[in-house]
Amino acid sequence: QVQLVQSGPEVKKPGASVKVSCKASGYTFTSYNINWVRQAPGQGLEWMGWISAYNGNTNYAQRLQDRVTMTTDTSTTTAYMELRSLRSDDTAVYYCARDLYDYNNCPLSFWGQGTLVTVSS
Amino acid sequence: DIVMTQSPDSLAVSLGERATINCKSSQSVLSSSNNKNFLAWYQQKPGQPPKLLIYWASSRESGVPDRFSGSGSETDFTLTISSLQAEDVAVYYCQQYYSTPRTFGQGTKVEIK
Repeated sequence: QVQLVQSGPEVKKPGASVKVSCKASGYTFTSYNINWVRQAPGQGLEWMGWISAYNGNTNYAQRLQDRVTMTTDTSTTTAYMELRSLRSDDTAVYYCARDLYDYNNCPLSFWGQGTLVTVSS
Repeated sequence: DIVMTQSPDSLAVSLGERATINCKSSQSVLSSSNNKNFLAWYQQKPGQPPKLLIYWASSRESGVPDRFSGSGSETDFTLTISSLQAEDVAVYYCQQYYSTPRTFGQGTKVEIK
């Protein structure tokens, strides 16, 4: 069965960076895009971007484009999301999610359990 | 960016009654190439990740009870829970995947009256 297992909670100081991992299993990793979505405490969902696990192409939300990098490691079927220059309003649960189908413009069918990133001095 | 606006922000419905959530997009999400609406609905319970319920505006994801249905086209969409069950208490989000950024609505909280 498809599973996405994310790394554990992180506490970071303002200005630092965080790298969250998402280990995929149960499907052909390189056939599907991985998206990243975050949710601030008590707030709604914000799409951050996606990465093609096939060729590493990325598409980032413009407001995060200068601070976020998404990568994949096909040898370990793991996706990563790094966010730099952290601010207090980056405090959120970060989710990875797989596209439903193996082409672009799909809904998000499988989700990781989420990783809480807390930014505090 | 396509702005997704849901209404209402919250609603309370008696068990067994119908719940209706609306979602409006700031521009059409209907593709002329395949005549499909690039609109999904998700359910999120506290402490859990979102769960895909409906995609292509009206296709039910595998395993989703048939009391959940989606309708609408172009810019106006509806999620209907035909007979609310206790386990349906959650926040529901619409999302367009027509273009990036893949924007979500602000969410609608469904409670039991």
